[in-house]
Amino acid sequence: DTAVSQTPKYLVTQMGNDKSIKCEQNLGHDTMYWYKQDSKKFLKIMFSYNNKELIINETVPNRFSPKSPDKAHLNLHINSLELGDSAVYFCASSQGTGRLGQPQHFGDGTRLSIL
Amino acid sequence: AQKVTQAQTEISVVEKEDVTLDCVYETRDTTYYLFWYKQPPSGELVFLIRRNSFDEQNEISGRYSWNFQKSTSSFNFTITASQVVDSAVYFCALSDAGNNRKLIWGLGTSLAVNP
Repeated sequence: DTAVSQTPKYLVTQMGNDKSIKCEQNLGHDTMYWYKQDSKKFLKIMFSYNNKELIINETVPNRFSPKSPDKAHLNLHINSLELGDSAVYFCASSQGTGRLGQPQHFGDGTRLSIL
Repeated sequence: AQKVTQAQTEISVVEKEDVTLDCVYETRDTTYYLFWYKQPPSGELVFLIRRNSFDEQNEISGRYSWNFQKSTSSFNFTITASQVVDSAVYFCALSDAGNNRKLIWGLGTSLAVNP
């Protein structure tokens, strides 16, 4: 009965590889997000989708590409991984198209380590 | 511009002490929401509370209480009789109508409760 689940939990890979992180929410929420948290715990929004439509697209290298097949899923694909991509990536979701102030509910995070 | 400041980077207390985590925010909007999240050592991000700008009533939930003061643009969080399980990074965040309604995050306060 996990609310926001992301897989894998850990991802260790080599520079230059391509990898994907999957996220699913069963809360019936309309909006989903990807965040990057660096080693200093700073949380940076990367992308947000509302009902499969991209609504937030922060300054992120175009090696990062989100894909939302339906409103319950938001996947993140990363091409040509670099050392600086090492971080914890969080998926989140919130209720209500365009509604202000809805709390975001987070997955457990995916710890990505680039060798 | 919107901003959230958590001036305390790290706090260390002994169990059973009371501790207050400060959060100061900036926004030009009259309608906004404030949030607190907890990130324990296990890494997940847990939503704690949401407060809207029209509700200045303080909130208490068990050992946790929140003091919202618009006059000082602050939304402080107090843990009474702290316990080791309260050890975590605590984030304050702001959501308003600007910035495409994304959350503006503070840098977090790392709280260590020692036995």
